[in-house]
Amino acid sequence: GAGVSQSPSNKVTEKGKDVELRCDPISGHTALYWYRQSLGQGLEFLIYFQGNSAPDKSGLPSDRFSAERTGGSVSTLTIQRTQQEDSAVYLCASSSNLAGAFGEQFFGPGTRLTVL
Amino acid sequence: GDSVTQMEGPVTLSEEAFLTINCTYTATGYPSLFWYVQYPGEGLQLLLKATKADDKGSNKGFEATYRKETTSFHLEKGSVQVSDSAVYFCALTLNTGGFKTIFGAGTRLFVKA
Repeated sequence: GAGVSQSPSNKVTEKGKDVELRCDPISGHTALYWYRQSLGQGLEFLIYFQGNSAPDKSGLPSDRFSAERTGGSVSTLTIQRTQQEDSAVYLCASSSNLAGAFGEQFFGPGTRLTVL
Repeated sequence: GDSVTQMEGPVTLSEEAFLTINCTYTATGYPSLFWYVQYPGEGLQLLLKATKADDKGSNKGFEATYRKETTSFHLEKGSVQVSDSAVYFCALTLNTGGFKTIFGAGTRLFVKA
């Protein structure tokens, strides 16, 4: 597609339920990033993929969070047993590793997660 | 470790005022530096970038110069407009086989008419 897409755009869930958030990067972009942005806060890095592997998982806040990427394209962020503090906007970005790209990231519109 | 520090907001200015948002970084190696902007109700987008020392990035009247000696990448604009009201994020990337990216906390700018 033309840009990074994310689905759903909004997700309301009950505490304790599992949720899956999806990211479709720009075609051909080998790097994919997940961030979390709480209300009025900055960007919290969660995880980064290079191809299908995740060289940096250091930002995942707990073992309830996991992510995978298949075929070097779509990525899914899963949050198990959601808690109210998980409520935030989850942002996905992709970038090209071609020479000259320098890691410029293109962001999706985000998924707003609300845990009741 | 690698990090980005930017001035805390919010910053409130009158239209046509001069803007500076400070950004300093710590990095092992030679990062590329970026400013991203998030307008109200919109997604993050790249504003400008600089990929090596002494480079100046510019876009929409904004400028930032990559200063290796002071490890800084301050954002400036000579005359702000109401439409510049947004949150501005400084970021660096390091080529570690892929691109590790670190964002600052963001600075909210309000411009009054």
